[in-house]
Amino acid sequence: AAGVIQSPRHLIKEKRETATLKCYPIPRHDTVYWYQQGPGQDPQFLISFYEKMQSDKGSIPDRFSAQQFSDYHSELNMSSLELGDSALYFCASSLVGRNTEAFFGQGTRLTVV
Amino acid sequence: KQEVTQIPAALSVPEGENLVLNCSFTDSAIYNLQWFRQDPGKGLTSLLLIQSSQREQTSGRLNASLDKSSGRSTLYIAASQPGDSATYLCAVTGGYGTSGSRLTFGEGTQLTVNP
Repeated sequence: AAGVIQSPRHLIKEKRETATLKCYPIPRHDTVYWYQQGPGQDPQFLISFYEKMQSDKGSIPDRFSAQQFSDYHSELNMSSLELGDSALYFCASSLVGRNTEAFFGQGTRLTVV
Repeated sequence: KQEVTQIPAALSVPEGENLVLNCSFTDSAIYNLQWFRQDPGKGLTSLLLIQSSQREQTSGRLNASLDKSSGRSTLYIAASQPGDSATYLCAVTGGYGTSGSRLTFGEGTQLTVNP
């Protein structure tokens, strides 16, 4: 079965550069979530989209922005990167609703040097 | 705000042992609870989803229970194998300070099953 696809899998950027992470949800899933997992930490919710509209916002820095496109894929744009942004970034998808199961991608490991 | 705690933080057992991982959450007004498995540096694999109206779910050697009123869940792993070695994360949707269907995670239990 198709899973959530994230690209790239690994990314190395220098401080103050920008990065774009992409997420392709499971077919027919209409909701996309982004999470950040720092070293040795649990995943923290950043932002989510339903039908191309932002549906919820968590601890996402102002330097980050995201959107969901008409084909339901989503992109997380990160600017003015800082060393502390180094983390695993996960995308998850689900069908809309509070009781639906979320499926996660393999993540993008971002390293800021 | 919803907080999720997992005990123990780490567990090492010999192969074949049955074991229990614990998860607690501060606000019982959850919509559902999911257990995930994470291998080092890898993604999150969903193991079991328990709706707030359910008491337990089973998949193979895994059984998860939910006591919503007391804010607790347990993940029971029968006849553990070395391949079960991973970090197990508990996460809930709903609760004070959250909205929508975002997941609030615990910090995980790092399980090592020794051959």
